[in-house]
Amino acid sequence: ETGVTQTPRHLVMGMTNKKSLKCEQHLGHNAMYWYKQSAKKPLELMFVYSLEERVENNSVPSRFSPECPNSSHLFLHLHTLQPEDSALYLCASSQGGQGGETQYFGPGTRLLVL
Amino acid sequence: GQQVMQIPQYQHVQEGEDFTTYCNSSTTLSNIQWYKQRPGGHPVFLIQLVKSGEVKKQKRLTFQFGEAKKNSSLHITATQTTDVGTYFCAGRPGTYKYIFGTGTRLKVLA
Repeated sequence: ETGVTQTPRHLVMGMTNKKSLKCEQHLGHNAMYWYKQSAKKPLELMFVYSLEERVENNSVPSRFSPECPNSSHLFLHLHTLQPEDSALYLCASSQGGQGGETQYFGPGTRLLVL
Repeated sequence: GQQVMQIPQYQHVQEGEDFTTYCNSSTTLSNIQWYKQRPGGHPVFLIQLVKSGEVKKQKRLTFQFGEAKKNSSLHITATQTTDVGTYFCAGRPGTYKYIFGTGTRLKVLA
């Protein structure tokens, strides 16, 4: 499946680094999502963009900064992360952005913060 | 806050046995979706239920949405090794966001 791609697939960073995660969807969808998946915890919705406008910000720390330049691209900018931020970060997209649609997930970026 | 709980957390079954996972929400849901995540993979959409009491089938998988729209179940008949993975429900309490359940990790022993 190549509908939603994410880069990099793996990332190791120090707490003082700045990095960005990239997501691209090739499905013509108009809504994109960032999720965090930690071990033994449910998928946590971080941000939702619908028609390039952020419509959901789920009390995420400011060290995570999303950017959606157009409906096909989504970034997650990371800075001064903590070890507890180590997780699988999943991007998803859907058509409609009203929340009732199927979400198509990318393969994720596995992040390790040292 | 709004929560979606799933039980059991883990389930090991012999190949050919049946399997059921249950999803319970603290609030009424407008709809519920089910996803499967293979080991090392990402969640893949299985189905969406919208109506109270709805039942849908996909081959050996049967999905139910409770009458009160606060719970749901996924039943797999005669499991196969290809069924291994984590099954998540995701409920939508009427806003943009889906609240994912804790997931049930299924292991099928050949």
